[in-house]
Amino acid sequence: DAGVIQSPRHEVTEMGQEVTLRCKPISGHDYLFWYRQTMMRGLELLIYFNNNVPIDDSGMPEDRFSAKMPNASFSTLKIQPSEPRDSAVYFCASRESGELFFGEGSRLTVL
Amino acid sequence: AQSVSQHNHHVILSEAASLELGCNYSYGGTVNLFWYVQYPGQHLQLLLKYFSGDPLVKGIKGFEAEFIKSKFSFNLRKPSVQWSDTAEYFCAASGGYNKLIFGAGTRLAVHP
Repeated sequence: DAGVIQSPRHEVTEMGQEVTLRCKPISGHDYLFWYRQTMMRGLELLIYFNNNVPIDDSGMPEDRFSAKMPNASFSTLKIQPSEPRDSAVYFCASRESGELFFGEGSRLTVL
Repeated sequence: AQSVSQHNHHVILSEAASLELGCNYSYGGTVNLFWYVQYPGQHLQLLLKYFSGDPLVKGIKGFEAEFIKSKFSFNLRKPSVQWSDTAEYFCAASGGYNKLIFGAGTRLAVHP
């Protein structure tokens, strides 16, 4: 299995632009998580899905953030409009038997 | 509220020294515990996990952790570290199949 696949790996954008991050979980995993990692705040859980349904989005910082999972093999995290404080590494992870498998992350820089 | 606390934010050791990283959790009910490692520039990888049974858990690369229920702790240990163990280590906890909460992480630097 190729593991959890995220794209893009790096994104540099200007404040106010829309950013879309993508994730393909491991086939057969029924949970998908989005985390954000920064030096100041560490790893923060943003949202997670079970069988494509959002279960807990209490970690989503603002209405500017939204996440979807239209099917079992694809999820997106969208930021619109982006701000410099959104700069971070965004990790997607899928879960099997309680264990999380992480993607390589998407490093976002908002100028 | 559910939380995970890691006592040390930065640890510096020489090669062959012993390592113990502290982790305490606050969770009601059944808890699953994990240690993840993140090497520089890479994603998180699982070192070891505890769900039930023997409270002494052995993981990859010579790491082990001990679950002490009375102390709400799950400390990570390695008897002799190597330069290649330089990384950030995260303790995490979940209640059953609920969301996984991470500690703030401990940055370990091992000097040759």
